[in-house]
Amino acid sequence: QVQLVQSGPEVKKPGSSVKVSCKASGGSFNTYDLNWVRQAPGQGLEWMGRIVPILDKTNYAQSFQGRLTITADESTNTAYMELSSLTSDDTALYYCARGHELADYFYFYGMDIWGQGTTVTVSS
Amino acid sequence: DIVMTQTPRFLSVIPGQPASISCKSSQSLQHSDGKTYVYWYRQKPGQPPQLLIQQLSKRSSGVSDRFAASGSGTDFTLSISRVEADDVGLYYCMQSLQVPLTFGGGTKVEVK
Repeated sequence: QVQLVQSGPEVKKPGSSVKVSCKASGGSFNTYDLNWVRQAPGQGLEWMGRIVPILDKTNYAQSFQGRLTITADESTNTAYMELSSLTSDDTALYYCARGHELADYFYFYGMDIWGQGTTVTVSS
Repeated sequence: DIVMTQTPRFLSVIPGQPASISCKSSQSLQHSDGKTYVYWYRQKPGQPPQLLIQQLSKRSSGVSDRFAASGSGTDFTLSISRVEADDVGLYYCMQSLQVPLTFGGGTKVEVK
């Protein structure tokens, strides 16, 4: 069974960037969507974007365009989410999550396997 | 963006009684391939969301058959036939028909 293990908590200054990793073990990595979803304290879920490693395809939510970069290293089965120009509004728990079906260029899927989450705190 | 509206936002249920959560989307979630791209999750405190229902009505592996989902077009329902204490949590619907994927605001389920 695939497991997703994320990097540890981060504390960042406003205006800086953060890069969170998500390492897959125990199964296929590059043939599924790898999504990033965040959850601000006490709030709901917000989809940020996805990568399909085998297709080298990324999609981003418009609200993050220009600030968000999702990458993947197939040699290490690791995906990365980098968010720049941080503000206090970016303080949240960030999850990586795998799509439940084999990836498709044109389709998007719900997520069945989730990482444990990475807390990112933006504070001066 | 497709807006997902869940009701109620809070649900208090007696064990053994049924419960249902509604989710309405701002546009139809049925794809031209015939599938409906709506999902249901449950999130317990301190845990990531758990996928309960895939593509309208298919239960994920290991999910109790007390959970059922239905609907069409823009109106969807998650039903729990006999609520148990372990069903507490925040329930979310989500659409993946269109980018950005969007979630409902969540329904908090409490078991009395």
